[in-house]
Amino acid sequence: QPMLTQSSSASASLGSSVKLTCTVNGGHSSYVIAWHQQQPGKAPRFLMKLEGSGRYNKGSGVPDRFSGSSSGADRYLTISNLQSEDEADYYCETWDSNTWLFGGGTRLTVL
Amino acid sequence: EVQLVQSGAEVKKPGESLKISCQGSGYRFTDYWVGWVRQMPGKGLEWMGLIFIGDSDSRYSPSFQGQVTISADKSINTAYLEWGSLKASDTAVYYCARLGSPAVTPVDTWGQGTLVTVSS
Repeated sequence: QPMLTQSSSASASLGSSVKLTCTVNGGHSSYVIAWHQQQPGKAPRFLMKLEGSGRYNKGSGVPDRFSGSSSGADRYLTISNLQSEDEADYYCETWDSNTWLFGGGTRLTVL
Repeated sequence: EVQLVQSGAEVKKPGESLKISCQGSGYRFTDYWVGWVRQMPGKGLEWMGLIFIGDSDSRYSPSFQGQVTISADKSINTAYLEWGSLKASDTAVYYCARLGSPAVTPVDTWGQGTLVTVSS
């Protein structure tokens, strides 16, 4: 049974870049995952679907500053030119063998 | 525009029943899976279950099997999450989400959430 593992927290300075990681443990490196952003007090927002190949498809209105990449079992979300509104929780998510999986989420602090 | 619009906040007493809703628009509702997710205060996202609207095939998380019922009314593009007897520990925000078609694939649309408060 696969699991999605994320670091609990990350921080980076305004205007810099940050790369968040979601590791697919116990599953195939070909998994398609989704990244979601949850700003404080708001519903999650779909950011992108990300394939094992590194190809990704972003949701409507997601800024160009957000990009995805993959390496083996790792799925990355890179945010460039960090803005204050990027301070949020970021979750990865997928589906496998009758189980809907969520990572524990990474809380991103913009310094 | 694809949208999921959820019913409003609820305040209930322990032991009461409740049914909350999620109405889809902007796409062929019957072609997709719709899922429900719980978020307890200060915590992460937990899957509860999902339903394929077209034939009402449903799947439940073992943690929620028997505790809730997921259903849908195709005629009004609406999915439901229902409790027969609420507990204080059911206090949380509940989100619906659109998954794939026809196979289950990751979420691409979220509802705005429904806050359920259970208190005596």
